[in-house]
Amino acid sequence: EAAVTQSPRNKVAVTGGKVTLSCNQTNNHNNMYWYRQDTGHGLRLIHYSYGAGSTEKGDIPDGYKASRPSQENFSLILELATPSQTSVYFCASGDVPNTEVFFGKGTRLTVV
Amino acid sequence: QQQVRQSPQSLTVWEGETAILNCSYEDSTFDYFPWYWQFPRESPALLIAIRPVSNKKEDGRFTIFFNKREKKLSLHITDSQPGDSATYFCAASANSGTYQRFGTGTKLQVVP
Repeated sequence: EAAVTQSPRNKVAVTGGKVTLSCNQTNNHNNMYWYRQDTGHGLRLIHYSYGAGSTEKGDIPDGYKASRPSQENFSLILELATPSQTSVYFCASGDVPNTEVFFGKGTRLTVV
Repeated sequence: QQQVRQSPQSLTVWEGETAILNCSYEDSTFDYFPWYWQFPRESPALLIAIRPVSNKKEDGRFTIFFNKREKKLSLHITDSQPGDSATYFCAASANSGTYQRFGTGTKLQVVP
């Protein structure tokens, strides 16, 4: 079964601080994604990647950076965290866009 | 703009009734339409998906009806069970595209 592991699962950060959310997948999928989930907005794509070394902007990239150092790992970086970035973040992986996407268990981030 | 729209935002049905969840989309190049479900405090997972080569996809009590001309689809859950209570996301992607777009979700509650 596809496995996507996120860390940490919960994080409290201070405004203006740097936050790094990590994701590891063992499915050898080329594509990886970072979504945030907020009530009333569903799942919104922040950044995605086609493979090691690539990162692309999604629908809401402002305030976020991403890094894909290897096929397995995809990180989301908040250089200067703000309270508006308080949310649940999901990492996901998939073979190609037109197939199933597998989600990690999520990271609940609170910025105070 | 929201490329995938869902209605209603929330839905309550009695056990044994048929729940109908609606979805519409903007981009006529979309050719893969998965539905994901998400239970409280869990991550989304694929429930059922359809490609436009057919206008109906059935899997047990879950059926997708697809209308390409109107760019609409619906998920019918027959004989609804309390265990079906979850948030359902409609998504869409194009074979030539980059990633799946998600709707804002329908929260379904099945009352015993």
